[in-house]
Amino acid sequence: EVQLVQSGAEVRKPGESLKISCKGSGYSFTNYWIGWVRQMPGKGLEWLGIIYPRDSDTRYNPSFQGQVTISADRSINTAYLQWSSLKSSDTAMYYCARLVVVAAGFFDLWGRGTQVTVAS
Amino acid sequence: EIVMTQSPATLSVSPGERATLSCRASQTIGNNLAWYQQIPGQAPRLLISGASTRATGIPARFSGSGSGTEFTLTISSLQSEDFALYYCQQYNNWLTWTFGQGTKVEIK
Repeated sequence: EVQLVQSGAEVRKPGESLKISCKGSGYSFTNYWIGWVRQMPGKGLEWLGIIYPRDSDTRYNPSFQGQVTISADRSINTAYLQWSSLKSSDTAMYYCARLVVVAAGFFDLWGRGTQVTVAS
Repeated sequence: EIVMTQSPATLSVSPGERATLSCRASQTIGNNLAWYQQIPGQAPRLLISGASTRATGIPARFSGSGSGTEFTLTISSLQSEDFALYYCQQYNNWLTWTFGQGTKVEIK
């Protein structure tokens, strides 16, 4: 089955670090960009950045540059999203999604999401 | 940045009726538009790409139309599983994707 499996929900305190994961299976993981998309409570969708697992080429939404770090380990078909110092405003659901590069690309396969809660 | 505006914010429809959702781009995007469905508590699911091409496994009751700046998603006969949030996304230029704020389709 073609799928993206994300790590489970996380609760952290402000200032703590966090790394969440997204494991692809059922397709050639290194042949597709993987994107990370944020959904804050009751809000819409925003893309944070994308990574090409074959060579770890990474691009960020300028609005999130410096706020998060995206990485990948192609040996285990996994992409990561990490924070070095969380803020309460990082509380959101985070989705990984596979990017199909037709024209500028859309997301055809999504993970189930990782809920991140940052609270003191 | 291309701003995507969806209307209405909420659409109340009875099962079996037709639903028409709109999405407007602040500048022309050709047919580089996708529609996603999000059932509460679930991940978004791709419905339509290229403004009108249904994704694999999407029922024929879902159809997309439009080009340039005006787009429409039509659900011809609403089923219970179709009551959800719907988002449009433009992908006209690399690394500048934007989503609409969503339309909630609820049971009337």
